[in-house]
Amino acid sequence: NAGVTQTPKFQVLKTGQSMTLQCAQDMNHNSMYWYRQDPGMGLRLIYYSASEGTTDKGEVPNGYNVSRLNKREFSLRLESAAPSQTSVYFCASSKSGSGSYEQYFGPGTRLTVT
Amino acid sequence: EDKVVQSPLSLVVHEGDTVTLNCSYEVTNFRSLLWYKQEKKAPTFLFMLTSSGIEKKSGRLSSILDKKELSSILNITATQTGDSAIYLCAQNHGAGNMLTFGGGTRLMVKP
Repeated sequence: NAGVTQTPKFQVLKTGQSMTLQCAQDMNHNSMYWYRQDPGMGLRLIYYSASEGTTDKGEVPNGYNVSRLNKREFSLRLESAAPSQTSVYFCASSKSGSGSYEQYFGPGTRLTVT
Repeated sequence: EDKVVQSPLSLVVHEGDTVTLNCSYEVTNFRSLLWYKQEKKAPTFLFMLTSSGIEKKSGRLSSILDKKELSSILNITATQTGDSAIYLCAQNHGAGNMLTFGGGTRLMVKP
């Protein structure tokens, strides 16, 4: 079991360029999440997908789009990168249901926008 | 907006010391409080707390929730250099199993 995997690990973009961050999980989880983490701050939720076929905005969705491609994969797209999007991006997944479940995190993508 | 606040922001101790990390939350739709440890990469899960007053324990780490005070503490006894990390608490507040994270406490344990 690889758990949650993310690609790429590192990326440098110029302002205005676009890119897609990929995330996949092999734990058969229904819910998936994208976070960003800036220095000195905790993780902030960008978008989440409670189940296949649904996506919802989190705390900081502006400048991002997501696609829940299937149960395993959840991608994050930056259409026109800005320096304010320089951050470390984490994907996570969890079980879903009426209970409360921990989230499992991928290794992160460090993105720099110049 | 729900808010999770952690204190202290950072802490430097020596091996063998005991530390207490604090987390407070304010929410109207509380489901659980989670603690994670983050070293160089991804946060790794430590504890989930749902009931007040019941201590969760794993080796030298323990945590407890106080719903009356809207807070939780994470204790680490006999600290080791391997405990150096950022400790994050997060509150699960309902739909979609969403988490709101605090800013973290950076712990450094010196030999």
